[in-house]
Amino acid sequence: EPEVTQTPSHQVTQMGQEVILRCVPISNHLYFYWYRQILGQKVEFLVSFYNNEISEKSEIFDDQFSVERPDGSNFTLKIRSTKLEDSAMYFCASGTGDPALRYFGPGTRLTVL
Amino acid sequence: DAKTTQPTSMDCAEGRAANLPCNHSTISGNEYVYWYRQIHSQGPQYIIHGLKNNETNEMASLIITEDRKSSTLILPHATLRDTAVYYCIVRVSGGNSGYALNFGKGTSLLVTP
Repeated sequence: EPEVTQTPSHQVTQMGQEVILRCVPISNHLYFYWYRQILGQKVEFLVSFYNNEISEKSEIFDDQFSVERPDGSNFTLKIRSTKLEDSAMYFCASGTGDPALRYFGPGTRLTVL
Repeated sequence: DAKTTQPTSMDCAEGRAANLPCNHSTISGNEYVYWYRQIHSQGPQYIIHGLKNNETNEMASLIITEDRKSSTLILPHATLRDTAVYYCIVRVSGGNSGYALNFGKGTSLLVTP
């Protein structure tokens, strides 16, 4: 069964550094998403991406964040200058025609020191 | 999206049916009920969704009351691997209402041997 994959599984970085989290969505999916989950808290929506542009973003997704689909298969989340509070699990998801129906990857645990 | 109310936690003995309730008294006519779950440290997993008819798939059954103000997710023979947080989400099926899928606190289900 096809699945969403994410790399790396764990990323450790220093505060102020840039990180890129990578995702390979399911191949025939058209909608792509990033979510994050701070330890012990709810899963929070960050951004949705459709037709090569951001379709919706949350208040969390400020100017330090960006997304890209560079080559038709990968979907990336860049955090430009990481802060301690960016430490979280980041989940990528993809879906087809029903934007409420989506499939999540296993997550990347980001630790900012 | 309509607000949902779920119990904070529930227990279930292995092999028994787990019945997880969800109240959504302000649901509107075009809103669907979606269920996701999150096993510890993994990405959320889609389970099932429905509009007004009862639905069943290989994972679970969804029973929606006739007035659509509440629903129950049924795991017919719970296993230890079903221990997870279960999220009931109500929203329109389609992109016109936006792309964010918002997870609440859900119900933490513990399946015991």
